[in-house]
Amino acid sequence: NAGVTQTPKFRVLKTGQSMTLLCAQDMNHEYMYWYRQDPGMGLRLIHYSVGEGTTAKGEVPDGYNVSRLKKQNFLLGLESAAPSQTSVYFCASRGTADHEQYFGPGTRLTVT
Amino acid sequence: GNSVTQMEGPVTLSEEAFLTINCTYTATGYPSLFWYVQYPGEGLQLLLKATKADDKGSNKGFEATYRKETTSFHLEKGSVQVSDSAVYFCARSSGSARQLTFGSGTQLTVLP
Repeated sequence: NAGVTQTPKFRVLKTGQSMTLLCAQDMNHEYMYWYRQDPGMGLRLIHYSVGEGTTAKGEVPDGYNVSRLKKQNFLLGLESAAPSQTSVYFCASRGTADHEQYFGPGTRLTVT
Repeated sequence: GNSVTQMEGPVTLSEEAFLTINCTYTATGYPSLFWYVQYPGEGLQLLLKATKADDKGSNKGFEATYRKETTSFHLEKGSVQVSDSAVYFCARSSGSARQLTFGSGTQLTVLP
């Protein structure tokens, strides 16, 4: 099992550019989450999904969109990147019976 | 709302010293509580968890007890090692999707 994987690992964008971050899990988990990690602030929830075809807003959803077309994948999109979106992005998944979430290795995004 | 307050770092200890990292949470509902660890350049790994009051989570010599009366979940280890150097995050779950709310993280450095 690869667990939770994220693509890409690093990316530099210019302000106004768009991109999509891919999260994939091979554990057949229902729940998937996107967080951002900023210095001194811990992780904050951007969006989450409770199953294929569903998405919901988290604490800091503005400027991001998500899609869950397949159960194993959860995509995070930035339509028009801003310097404030410079961060490390983590994806996580959780099985229905689990309490804990399993995290991917992260994507470091820099917006100049 | 839901929040987690975590002891600020950084914390620097000598090898074999006793470690305590304080964590308190808001008492909304009946959350599960977690400690996650992040080693340099990596994602978050679950260190331990407790799902109800008075539960004690333990792993790799670390322990934390779910204290409902003081809304606390302090992390302890009797004798730290250099390899324990990492950032430690306290977190609580909430909502129907068991979303996580994180503390700000505590950087621990253990010196030989």
